[in-house]
Amino acid sequence: GQQVMQIPQYQHVQEGEDFTTYCNSSTTLSNIQWYKQRPGGHPVFLIQLVKSGEVKKQKRLTFQFGEAKKNSSLHITATQTTDVGTYFCAGQYGNKLVFGAGTILRVKS
Amino acid sequence: GAVVSQHPSRVICKSGTSVKIECRSLDFQATTMFWYRQFPKKSLMLMATSNEGSKATYEQGVEKDKFLINHASLTLSTLTVTSAHPEDSSFYICSAPAGGMTYNEQFFGPGTRLTVL
Repeated sequence: GQQVMQIPQYQHVQEGEDFTTYCNSSTTLSNIQWYKQRPGGHPVFLIQLVKSGEVKKQKRLTFQFGEAKKNSSLHITATQTTDVGTYFCAGQYGNKLVFGAGTILRVKS
Repeated sequence: GAVVSQHPSRVICKSGTSVKIECRSLDFQATTMFWYRQFPKKSLMLMATSNEGSKATYEQGVEKDKFLINHASLTLSTLTVTSAHPEDSSFYICSAPAGGMTYNEQFFGPGTRLTVL
């Protein structure tokens, strides 16, 4: 079945350092979405990427969609303690979203 | 953004009993809703797609007779865990797509923590 691989599983960074999480699909995606889940909370939508090679920014967050629409990345510049949580990518296959395993981000102040 | 509610937020039940979880889209209509299961520090596993007015579509490995889904209206889907056992203990989350289009962003409910004793 469809799978989205996401790495790393965990990342501990010092406040102010950068953070990147990567997702990869074996097949071409219709789109890819990114969600953030705070501890004890539910996933909250961050962004959707649709076009090949697309790059979108939200303040300190930069999202990229690969040229082949098979991989994506989320980069956070100068992390803050409020960035703590689990970041999931989710690939769109037809009418279904398949979630990556998630990357747990911890930020040490 | 749109709001999706879930009830109850937490339930503890005895083994063998059935538990019903409700998922409601509060300010928009959802012909399709999705039910996920999440284990601690793990990803969301899609269980089934709930379709208003028709049968739910279950993912491979999910028992449809155990996890009954009913999409009674354009704003309500229910998941009933029948004859629950301790291995069914988990975090169950529903979602509904924005604008009713399945390829749009998903709005998630707050989740239901089920503990089966």
